[in-house]
Amino acid sequence: DIQMTQSPSSLSASVGDRVTITCRASQGIRNDLGWYQQKPGKAPKRLIYVASSLQSGVPSRFSGSGSGTEFTLTISSLQPEDFATYFCLQHNNYPLTFGGGTKVEIK
Amino acid sequence: EVQLVESGGGLVQPGGSLRLSCRGSGFTFSDHYIDWVRQAPGKGLEWVGRSRNKANRYSTEYAASVKGRFILSRDVSNDSVFLQMNSLKTEDTAVYFCARDLQESPDHWGQGTLVAVSS
Repeated sequence: DIQMTQSPSSLSASVGDRVTITCRASQGIRNDLGWYQQKPGKAPKRLIYVASSLQSGVPSRFSGSGSGTEFTLTISSLQPEDFATYFCLQHNNYPLTFGGGTKVEIK
Repeated sequence: EVQLVESGGGLVQPGGSLRLSCRGSGFTFSDHYIDWVRQAPGKGLEWVGRSRNKANRYSTEYAASVKGRFILSRDVSNDSVFLQMNSLKTEDTAVYFCARDLQESPDHWGQGTLVAVSS
């Protein structure tokens, strides 16, 4: 199975901060990676697909980059509604595997 | 509007069975893969299985943790996917989400249904 190591597991940030979250794959997955946001009690919401494509309707402050084994999700200017947990998901190989999550909290 | 609605969750004893349903609307259901993903209380996300689309003959894939116990099927006339869960274990306790795939990863998700396995 491909292991997805996500870091950090949590972070505290202020509104307006630039935030970067990283996922590392245990083997190369090309660009077969998505990023998701989840708020408590809600279903995940896809933000980014195929590593760097912005999901329709998602604000442009979210961006994704990377290929192979290292990927990043960047929020350029954190907004109050962005406080949530973020997950990466690789779909290069079965089983699909998620990163452990990054909880973004208010500083 | 794309919608997915899960149903069928509940409380079941270890060793028991439960069948979850996922009904889609607002899109051509047979064109899409459907994934099931679960989330144990306070934990991360775990992929459970996939029902491929009509073009791929609705073939299936499963996580190792459920293979041989869970079975995916489709009702093509009702745009539904079913997750038959047998020989349930306490570690299967989770919220189960179904999700439509686009570009081979889940884009739209249902609201989830809670499965609790306990004596």
